[in-house]
Amino acid sequence: DIQMTQSPSSLSASVGDRVTITCRASQNIRNFLNWYQQKPGKAPKLLILAASSLQSGAPSRFSGSGSGTDFTLTISSLQPEDSSTYYCQQSYSSPRTFGQGTKVEIK
Amino acid sequence: QMQLVESGGGVVQPGKSLRLSCAASGFTFSTYTMHWVRQAPGKGLEWVALILSDASNDFYIDSVKGRFTISRDNSRNTLYLQMNSLRPEDTAVYYCARETYGSSSHYFDYWGQGTLVTVSS
Repeated sequence: DIQMTQSPSSLSASVGDRVTITCRASQNIRNFLNWYQQKPGKAPKLLILAASSLQSGAPSRFSGSGSGTDFTLTISSLQPEDSSTYYCQQSYSSPRTFGQGTKVEIK
Repeated sequence: QMQLVESGGGVVQPGKSLRLSCAASGFTFSTYTMHWVRQAPGKGLEWVALILSDASNDFYIDSVKGRFTISRDNSRNTLYLQMNSLRPEDTAVYYCARETYGSSSHYFDYWGQGTLVTVSS
């Protein structure tokens, strides 16, 4: 099974800050990497697909990069509504493993 | 509009069974691979199982192999998860999700609202 490791597990940042979350795969997954946002009590929502493609309707301040084993989710200017937990997921093979999540809080 | 609605969750004793359903609408259900993903209270997302669009193949996480069975009825636009021999560690919110292929990748673009399964004596 492919292991996905996210860092940090949590962070606190101010409105307007640039925020970066990293995700590392235990083997080469090419660009089969997705990012999801989850708010408490809600289902996850797709943000980024194929490592760097912004899902329709997602704010343009979100971007993704990387390929192979190392990936990054960036929020260019943090907004209050971005307070959430973010998960990476590999879709290269089954099981479709998720990272452990990164909780983003607003200072 | 596209919708996935789970049902069937509840409180069940260890060793008992439960069947979850996920009713799909607003898209051609029979053409999509479908998944179950769960989330234990206060924990992260854990992928559980998938079934191909024509039900020709399925796949499970090791911890549920031999206990859970994913199935689908394309005539009823419904996905199922039969859960047998339930354990306390199966306690979680269970989500169904649709997998789409695009941009040379696979991703879960629609999710249900989730149904809570509590395994407790």
